Amino acid sequence: DTEVTQTPKHLVMGMTNKKSLKCEQHMGHRAMYWYKQKAKKPPELMFVYSYEKLSINESVPSRFSPECPNSSLLNLHLHALQPEDSALYLCASSQDRPGEETQYFGPGTRLLVL
Amino acid sequence: DQQVKQNSPSLSVQEGRISILNCDYTNSMFDYFLWYKKYPAEGPTFLISISSIKDKNEDGRFTVFLNKSAKHLSLHIVPSQPGDSAVYFCAASGAGGTSYGKLTFGQGTILTVHP
Repeated sequence: DTEVTQTPKHLVMGMTNKKSLKCEQHMGHRAMYWYKQKAKKPPELMFVYSYEKLSINESVPSRFSPECPNSSLLNLHLHALQPEDSALYLCASSQDRPGEETQYFGPGTRLLVL
Repeated sequence: DQQVKQNSPSLSVQEGRISILNCDYTNSMFDYFLWYKKYPAEGPTFLISISSIKDKNEDGRFTVFLNKSAKHLSLHIVPSQPGDSAVYFCAASGAGGTSYGKLTFGQGTILTVHP
């Protein structure tokens, strides 16, 4: 089973709203990731969690706030977003061991900020 | 600085023929390479990977070749099928240090397989 699930599938929010994106995996992976993807571009790494601790923050604005409640769940809290934040947000997971670095992606949340 | 490059934005192939997608990298610290397939508005699907200790890995219709001296890898799809039409991303990891856990993606190649 290489499934990563993400909810919601689509999200429309205003610039003053607060919303959260959710990600879940049951593969026993200990590393989880948030990516942002704009049309016709490759995925762009935002955050990495390793063993439930934030290990990489790619200088993401504070209006994006990640949270890893346990080893299976990853959230991305959104507040005061801008229209340019509209994108496909992807979650991924992997084993956190050298040689087992394949990341498995979820289907993504399509976010539109009005 | 683009460390992983896919120089062909698009590739068009006839059904049943071979598709060859190419990828070049500049960082000699990369030691693990992956290919992903992506349909519009969906997440990337993992296809195949190769470690730098190998030069070839096969999985069904998909074969990845790695030439470390040339810092080049390629994905061969034989035979190509219309359902293979998608964007293909090459990715690399293992640059070490604070980059551990990061995948560096190429810009993608749009493959179109014509019936």
